[in-house]
Amino acid sequence: AQSVAQPEDQVNVAEGNPLTVKCTYSVSGNPYLFWYVQYPNRGLQFLLKYITGDNLVKGSYGFEAEFNKSQTSFHLKKPSALVSDSALYFCALRSGAGSYQLTFGKGTKLSVIP
Amino acid sequence: EAGVAQSPRYKIIEKRQSVAFWCNPISGHATLYWYQQILGQGPKLLIQFQNNGVVDDSQLPKDRFSAERLKGVDSTLKIQPAKLEDSAVYLCASSQSSVHEQYFGPGTRLTVT
Repeated sequence: AQSVAQPEDQVNVAEGNPLTVKCTYSVSGNPYLFWYVQYPNRGLQFLLKYITGDNLVKGSYGFEAEFNKSQTSFHLKKPSALVSDSALYFCALRSGAGSYQLTFGKGTKLSVIP
Repeated sequence: EAGVAQSPRYKIIEKRQSVAFWCNPISGHATLYWYQQILGQGPKLLIQFQNNGVVDDSQLPKDRFSAERLKGVDSTLKIQPAKLEDSAVYLCASSQSSVHEQYFGPGTRLTVT
């Protein structure tokens, strides 16, 4: 069975500082990994994905994520946080066969403090 | 390009009543998904359609939940009868195919009292 873990329920960071939101995964076979962001009363928005290739993936709004196979991690990063980045962030893992179902982590609430 | 549309946005019902949600995916997207998101948790897939056929409904409580996607475009999700534990946000998503990224609608927040 595949699983995704987001070990932090909440991350607080000062505006202008770098931010990291952590994600680890467990899957047999190749991982296909995604990050989504959810603003209040809105659906999830796609940020970026790792399918294959470079371990550093660049996405929307200046976010990037680093895939680390040996540590089975896919941490989301941004060099300089904005107050508008405050939201709920979800890591997701897609199976490589069958229905290609997405399994989501429980989410991490990011608060950027002015 | 228009996004995924869902209605209603909010619904309050009493337990044992029935409710239906509607979803209109992005034009041309063959794959449609319904998720249940309980407060404090990530979305959980209920059912996945490819065109108008069901690909995965392994986590759908079939004794009370049903879904259909007639003509391979719009979809409805129904709960009958509702239980208190069905209180959640129901998200619809669509993608070009099952291997492409999914795009989500704004969700329907259901409260069962």
